[in-house]
Amino acid sequence: AQSVSQHNHHVILSEAASLELGCNYSYGGTVNLFWYVQYPGQHLQLLLKYFSGDPLVKGIKGFEAEFIKSKFSFNLRKPSVQWSDTAEYFCAVTVFGSGNTGKLIFGQGTTLQVKP
Amino acid sequence: DGGITQSPKYLFRKEGQNVTLSCEQNLNHDAMYWYRQDPGQGLRLIYYSQIVNDFQKGDIAEGYSVSREKKESFPLTVTSAQKNPTAFYLCASSLRRTDYEQYFGPGTRLTVT
Repeated sequence: AQSVSQHNHHVILSEAASLELGCNYSYGGTVNLFWYVQYPGQHLQLLLKYFSGDPLVKGIKGFEAEFIKSKFSFNLRKPSVQWSDTAEYFCAVTVFGSGNTGKLIFGQGTTLQVKP
Repeated sequence: DGGITQSPKYLFRKEGQNVTLSCEQNLNHDAMYWYRQDPGQGLRLIYYSQIVNDFQKGDIAEGYSVSREKKESFPLTVTSAQKNPTAFYLCASSLRRTDYEQYFGPGTRLTVT
């Protein structure tokens, strides 16, 4: 079965530190890749997505992610975090193929705490 | 404002009672989804519907039921058969069956005691 793995469950950073959250998926075929963010008390919202084309994608609030097909990875990065980035981050994948309907498969989530 | 509404925000029930969670969208989306979110487990798909009057089981459908009689509505019933119903429930929608960018509602936190 397809799965998504986020390596960091809880990350604590100081403001201005750089961020990289790992995401790996287990599927060898065509995928769409997403990062969602859930700020405290708010809706889950899309941070960025990759469907095709340039493997380096830019999202909202200065986030970016790089799709590395050979490593089955889609890591999220931000050069300098802010206190307002404190949230839970989810990597998600949709897979395509026989019998699949393209449903979203989520990772376990990473809680990011940014200290002012 | 277009979006997804879920009500209520908090719901409390006694064990053995069925409870229905509401999800409404005015985005004119064809597909709708129900997820369950538990700490450390991410989101897991309960049911999804790609078109009116049709729905399919997700990964953890046991103890849940849904209906899709209208395009804008996709209520979820948590039955007494669900062994661990206390959780945060999220509803989502996407424009088309093949459009996998999903938009999420604010969620309903269900507590069963």
